[in-house]
Amino acid sequence: NAGVTQTPKFRILKIGQSMTLQCTQDMNHNYMYWYRQDPGMGLKLIYYSVGAGITDKGEVPNGYNVSRSTTEDFPLRLELAAPSQTSVYFCASRVDVHEQFFGPGTRLTVL
Amino acid sequence: TQLLEQSPQFLSIQEGENLTVYCNSSSVFSSLQWYRQEPGEGPVLLVTVVTGGEVKKLKRLTFQFGDARKDSSLHITAAQPGDTGLYLCAEPTVSGYSTLTFGKGTMLLVSP
Repeated sequence: NAGVTQTPKFRILKIGQSMTLQCTQDMNHNYMYWYRQDPGMGLKLIYYSVGAGITDKGEVPNGYNVSRSTTEDFPLRLELAAPSQTSVYFCASRVDVHEQFFGPGTRLTVL
Repeated sequence: TQLLEQSPQFLSIQEGENLTVYCNSSSVFSSLQWYRQEPGEGPVLLVTVVTGGEVKKLKRLTFQFGDARKDSSLHITAAQPGDTGLYLCAEPTVSGYSTLTFGKGTMLLVSP
């Protein structure tokens, strides 16, 4: 099993550009999550999904969108990139309440 | 609003020293998880504690859950450079157990 994979690993965007961060898991987990991590701020939940076709907002959803058409994939979309979205983004999945499996992260810089 | 306080924010020690980091909540934990995040990687679960007073050991790491389930500690014996990383505590979000609330973490640097 590859676990949770994320692409790209690094990306630089200009203000106003859009992009999609990809996340795939091969563990057949129903629950998937997107977090952002800023220095000294821990992990903030952006969006999550409890299964294909079902998504819900987390703590910091503004400026982002998600979709969940399959169990495996949970892409995160930035429509109009802003400097405040410079961060490290982590995707995670879980099988039960006690453990989340994280991907390696995408480091995004918006200039 | 759930609030997880972790202390200290940053700890720099020499190899072989012992250390303890803490996680406290404004409310009673239903359960608590400890994750370690190595530089450039995603967090990895170390342990889950559920019962008040519980103690779990993972090699040189000892995890304690307070009797009242409002605090937890992680003690590392004879720290090694490989222990370097960000230690995060997390608990299920009160509004529903679908999500976790994370603390801001303790950054540990162990120098040879």
